[in-house]
Amino acid sequence: DTEVTQTPKHLVMGMTNKKSLKCEQHMGHRAMYWYKQKAKKPPELMFVYSYEKLSINESVPSRFSPECPNSSLLNLHLHALQPEDSALYLCASSQEGAAGQFFGPGTRLTVL
Amino acid sequence: RKEVEQDPGPFNVPEGATVAFNCTYSNSASQSFFWYRQDCRKEPKLLMSVYSSGNEDGRFTAQLNRASQYISLLIRDSKLSDSATYLCAVNGAAGNKLTFGGGTRVLVKP
Repeated sequence: DTEVTQTPKHLVMGMTNKKSLKCEQHMGHRAMYWYKQKAKKPPELMFVYSYEKLSINESVPSRFSPECPNSSLLNLHLHALQPEDSALYLCASSQEGAAGQFFGPGTRLTVL
Repeated sequence: RKEVEQDPGPFNVPEGATVAFNCTYSNSASQSFFWYRQDCRKEPKLLMSVYSSGNEDGRFTAQLNRASQYISLLIRDSKLSDSATYLCAVNGAAGNKLTFGGGTRVLVKP
């Protein structure tokens, strides 16, 4: 199984809503990532989890809150988002270290 | 200067032709290098890692030039299905942090 899955595929939320994005991988990877991608731009790293611990936070606003319940799951909790947060949110996983990362299909988020 | 830079293109390529493009990186301590392919409104897909000695996967050849700090991707016998945006990605000395270039758009035409 070489797949990273993400749910939901699409999400529309208001600025006062609380929602969560979910990501799962069963490749035995110990590093998991959240990226944000705007149209016609490359993915921008948000968070890195290594062995279920947060190792990198790229100065992401606190309205985004990551969680890694176990080695296969990664969540991104969203609260009080702004319209400019609308983007494709990508989860990825990799073996530990400088290894290639495998991306999920993403959640396309629209904030109204 | 951006950490990782690419010519945005588009590279308009006749079907069957060869196309090559580069990606420059600024951090000389960068450890590993990758090419990804991204189709419109889809996720990036890992195309190939780039090794110091250069490597080939079918019609795709990747090269690394550490002295000049760039990597390259060459596509031979281009197919219509090769039309996509090609993203280079560089993993710095910090290990897990992958920095992407802005992407090079390739359009293969009949």
